[in-house]
Amino acid sequence: EAQVTQNPRYLITVTGKKLTVTCSQNMNHEYMSWYRQDPGLGLRQIYYSMNVEVTDKGDVPEGYKVSRKEKRNFPLILESPSPNQTSLYFCASSLTGNTEAFFGQGTRLTVV
Amino acid sequence: QQQVKQSPQSLIVQKGGISIINCAYENTAFDYFPWYQQFPGKGPALLIAIRPDVSEKKEGRFTISFNKSAKQFSLHIMDSQPGDSATYFCAANQAGTALIFGKGTTLSVSS
Repeated sequence: EAQVTQNPRYLITVTGKKLTVTCSQNMNHEYMSWYRQDPGLGLRQIYYSMNVEVTDKGDVPEGYKVSRKEKRNFPLILESPSPNQTSLYFCASSLTGNTEAFFGQGTRLTVV
Repeated sequence: QQQVKQSPQSLIVQKGGISIINCAYENTAFDYFPWYQQFPGKGPALLIAIRPDVSEKKEGRFTISFNKSAKQFSLHIMDSQPGDSATYFCAANQAGTALIFGKGTTLSVSS
């Protein structure tokens, strides 16, 4: 089954404790991206990657890091999480940057 | 210039009615305009998309109308059903750049 898999689905952590949210896709897509979804603000792109070893900032990259060492994986790293990073995070992949994007199930992160 | 403005924020429609959600954009280089549907607890899923070489695209009860000169596009849901109750997002981008989403419209279809 074609899918984008994120882990974990839920995470509660404390301020400053480094964490990684994993994302994997099995569709051989070139393009992957991370979004955060906050009430009233819609989906805002954090980082995106057009191919292996190629990443670029989206609208809200501050406080986040990404890497794309393999085509299928695109982890999101929070080196020192803060409460304002409490949000619902989605990973997505698509064949190119402007074709259908497939989203994961989301990761609800709470930073206390 | 990168914004996509979506309205209304929320919408209540009776079963069988027409739901209309509007979006406006500024960047004339945008060439891909998708609509996503999101149910609670799920990730967004592509509903329908259009490119600027056509003015309308229809898939079942869902239609996108696109007005290039006005830089606007809209989603029409005909014969709205309770199962259509969800949050809808418009988006836009050009190849190689970030997909910009509107802030979303919460649709409730009453039976």
